[in-house]
Amino acid sequence: GAVVSQHPSWVICKSGTSVKIECRSLDFQATTMFWYRQFPKQSLMLMATSNEGSKATYEQGVEKDKFLINHASLTLSTLTVTSAHPEDSSFYICSARPPVPNTGELFFGEGSRLTVL
Amino acid sequence: QKEVEQDPGPLSVPEGAIVSLNCTYSNSAFQYFMWYRQYSRKGPELLMYTYSSGNKEDGRFTAQVDKSSKYISLFIRDSQPSDSATYLCAMSQGNQFYFGTGTSLTVIP
Repeated sequence: GAVVSQHPSWVICKSGTSVKIECRSLDFQATTMFWYRQFPKQSLMLMATSNEGSKATYEQGVEKDKFLINHASLTLSTLTVTSAHPEDSSFYICSARPPVPNTGELFFGEGSRLTVL
Repeated sequence: QKEVEQDPGPLSVPEGAIVSLNCTYSNSAFQYFMWYRQYSRKGPELLMYTYSSGNKEDGRFTAQVDKSSKYISLFIRDSQPSDSATYLCAMSQGNQFYFGTGTSLTVIP
């Protein structure tokens, strides 16, 4: 299947700093990527839909100024957690779907575990 | 009512058993149905993908979709300890994806 790569897989930062997570589609161009957050033993919570060349669409309750999303190319979307605090500690996962053929399959990155001290 | 309902388990079976995982859904407009396997601290891995009602088989895995009952299943034959993971069902309509809460499976050697 298609490959989506996410980096870093694990990051620890101090409270108040910003952290950037990258999501790359390695073998296809993705006009749309999705960012999820997952708490322990819970399902995926959609944070935002990232659209290449335009602003991301955020889900209700997700602070767009806190979680900055940039989708500057067809193979790269980034999530920046700004002024991170301990409550932002979580597992962040990106996903993307190949546009052609539009089969509906969604592929996930390996996830990034963020720990804010 | 949630869009997708999935029993969280946990489910524990002996090695070699047949495992049945299920999800129900409420939106008859869902077009694509997927099963993902997620190991601890990893991203979900696409296991099976189906579009229409019926069965799809891939090795030890069989995905079943019954659109009339709004019910999907994943069967794992000859289960192995390496199958121990959380299994998520997912459904989509256009660019909207809906996930079950996941079923935690442990296969005991």
